[in-house]
Amino acid sequence: NAGVTQTPKFQVLKTGQSMTLQCAQDMNHNSMYWYRQDPGMGLRLIYYSASEGTTDKGEVPNGYNVSRLNKREFSLRLESAAPSQTSVYFCASRGTGLSIQNIQYFGAGTRLSVL
Amino acid sequence: GQSLEQPSEVTAVEGAIVQINCTYQTSGFYGLSWYQQHDGGAPTFLSYNALDGLEETGRFSSFLSRSDSYGYLLLQELQMKDSASYFCALTETGGFKTIFGAGTRLFVKA
Repeated sequence: NAGVTQTPKFQVLKTGQSMTLQCAQDMNHNSMYWYRQDPGMGLRLIYYSASEGTTDKGEVPNGYNVSRLNKREFSLRLESAAPSQTSVYFCASRGTGLSIQNIQYFGAGTRLSVL
Repeated sequence: GQSLEQPSEVTAVEGAIVQINCTYQTSGFYGLSWYQQHDGGAPTFLSYNALDGLEETGRFSSFLSRSDSYGYLLLQELQMKDSASYFCALTETGGFKTIFGAGTRLFVKA
C-alpha cells in the first residue's frame, strides 16, 4: 500500500525556472493538500482540493498553481521559481467524514532549492 | 483568520509524562488534530478531538476545551523515540481547510 507518493524527492532549480511537483494517492480520498515547510517552522497550506474538480487557495498561494488532474492526482506548479520558494513541500490526502476520518496522510516530501 | 500557538520547545525525562499545549483563535472549526514529525520525515497523525474532552490512544491522549480555546497533547511513559516535533492543527468549519501551528520540539533525555 503506497499511500501518498510525491515526485521528485529532491530538486534544485535556478531562479526563473519552472517545474511541477507531482502527487498521487491510492486511498480513494476525496481531499488533497499541498503544504510547504520552512526550516524550524510549521506547515503552511498552499492550496487544497476538497474534491475532484475543485481547488481553493490556502494561506500562501502566491507564486503557485495547482491542478487536480483526477481523483488520484494533485500537482503543484511553480511558474517562475524564486529563492523564497526554497522549502520542503508536502502533499497530503484525507478521507471523507468529519470525525475519525479527519486524518491527513502525508507523502515523504519534496526538498526544493532555488538558487 | 485562524491562529494557533504552541511552545517552541519542551524537554522531559525518559519515562515521565509531558503535556504540550495549544491555544487558538478562530471563528469556528470542526476539530483539533495532533501530528508528530521526526527530523527529515513526514508528519504522521496522532489524535483528533471533534468534541470537548479527552481522547486516549495508547500512550498518547489529547484534550480539547472549546470554551477555553485550548487543547493539549499528553504523552505518557516517554521514550527516546518520542523526541520529535508535535503540531496541533485546526480544521475549519467546512471540514476541508486545515491550519497547522508552528510546532513544539520535544527533547526526551535519558
